[in-house]
Amino acid sequence: DGGITQSPKYLFRKEGQNVTLSCEQNLNHDAMYWYRQDPGQGLRLIYYSQIVNDFQKGDIAEGYSVSREKKESFPLTVTSAQKNPTAFYLCASSLLAGGPLRATDTQYFGPGTRLTVL
Amino acid sequence: DQQVKQNSPSLSVQEGRISILNCDYTNSMFDYFLWYKKYPAEGPTFLISISSIKDKNEDGRFTVFLNKSAKHLSLHIVPSQPGDSAVYFCAALTAGNKLTFGGGTRVLVKP
Repeated sequence: DGGITQSPKYLFRKEGQNVTLSCEQNLNHDAMYWYRQDPGQGLRLIYYSQIVNDFQKGDIAEGYSVSREKKESFPLTVTSAQKNPTAFYLCASSLLAGGPLRATDTQYFGPGTRLTVL
Repeated sequence: DQQVKQNSPSLSVQEGRISILNCDYTNSMFDYFLWYKKYPAEGPTFLISISSIKDKNEDGRFTVFLNKSAKHLSLHIVPSQPGDSAVYFCAALTAGNKLTFGGGTRVLVKP
């Protein structure tokens, strides 16, 4: 089965601790993304990566870090510097057509990880 | 500054009737738009998209309309079914293949 997996589904951490959320895809997609959703709000982009060993900050990157050592994997670390880490975290991936065929740029999402800081 | 807005946070509709969800955007450089459907505690699933060279795209019960001059798009679901009850997000594809999302509209379809 092709798809995007995120683990764990639920995660609890104590204040002051770093925690890493996993995201894996076997769709052979070039690009991967991390979003955060807060109650009653839309999704906000944290980081994204269009190619291995390269990534860019999104709109709310402060307090987060990522790596992209393999095409299939894009882990997100929520550091103790993130002031409001409790949220629902979503990973996505997409092909990058690099041309006018925008339909192939559609992003597909994983099931999400709910992080709660105690 | 929100570049993509969904001004109706919720919508209630009777089963079998039409659901109309609206979305406005401010950036005239946006050229591709998507609608996603999301159930609680799950990731969004892609529903339908439209390129700015079109004004309508249809897929089964779902139709998206784009009015470029008004910077407005809408999603029509007809007929609405109870399984359509979810949160719907409008999104615009921006430079660097990034998505900018609206705040979402929660749809409740009553049997």
